[in-house]
Amino acid sequence: EVQLVESGGGLVKPGGSLRLSCAASGFTFSNAWMSWVRQAPGKGLEWVGRMKSKSAGGTTDYAAPVKGRFTISRDDSTNTLSLQMSSLKTEDTAVYYCAMHGDYGDFPDSWGQGTLVTVSS
Amino acid sequence: EIVLTQSPATLSLSPGERATLSCRASQSISSYLAWYQQKPGQAPRLLIYDASNRATDIPARFSGSGSGTDFTLTISSLEPEDFVVYYCQQRGRWPLSFGGGTKVEIK
Repeated sequence: EVQLVESGGGLVKPGGSLRLSCAASGFTFSNAWMSWVRQAPGKGLEWVGRMKSKSAGGTTDYAAPVKGRFTISRDDSTNTLSLQMSSLKTEDTAVYYCAMHGDYGDFPDSWGQGTLVTVSS
Repeated sequence: EIVLTQSPATLSLSPGERATLSCRASQSISSYLAWYQQKPGQAPRLLIYDASNRATDIPARFSGSGSGTDFTLTISSLEPEDFVVYYCQQRGRWPLSFGGGTKVEIK
């Protein structure tokens, strides 16, 4: 069974930094393309970024609102996906989901339960 | 960036009725569209991919259609657990993007 467990969320001041982690199990993590998707309280879904598998080049793509501030990385030895967030803004407040691109290409079919990031002074 | 516009924002129906949800793309995305269901406090669940294909274990009452810029999710007969929020998502062009959602509520 695929499991994705996010951690690292919390309260941070504007301008601060935070690192989220996603522990993956139940599938071959090194072969998977992975994404971060966020959802502001009471709002819709917003793509944050995607990282391809190393065999596909290991490249990352980011949405415009986070480009240059957020960095996605992966550790295939520990089956962990990370999201390093810096220069945080109040509008970054959201639940952050880790998602795995399985059998359906760029339509993720496995998601974690999410971790809440609150950016507030 | 491709903008997805979902309508209506809220759909009020009764159990057993047919639901028709719309998603319009700002430019053609061929059939590269998916539909997700999200229950309160839960992560999204993939229902339909590539416009008209049901994902694994999705009930047959869910169907999708469309191509180019206009897409539809149909729920043939609403069950009580279907009264939640639905999002469309495109993979035709980066950045990947979601629609704003349609809430299906009990009338």
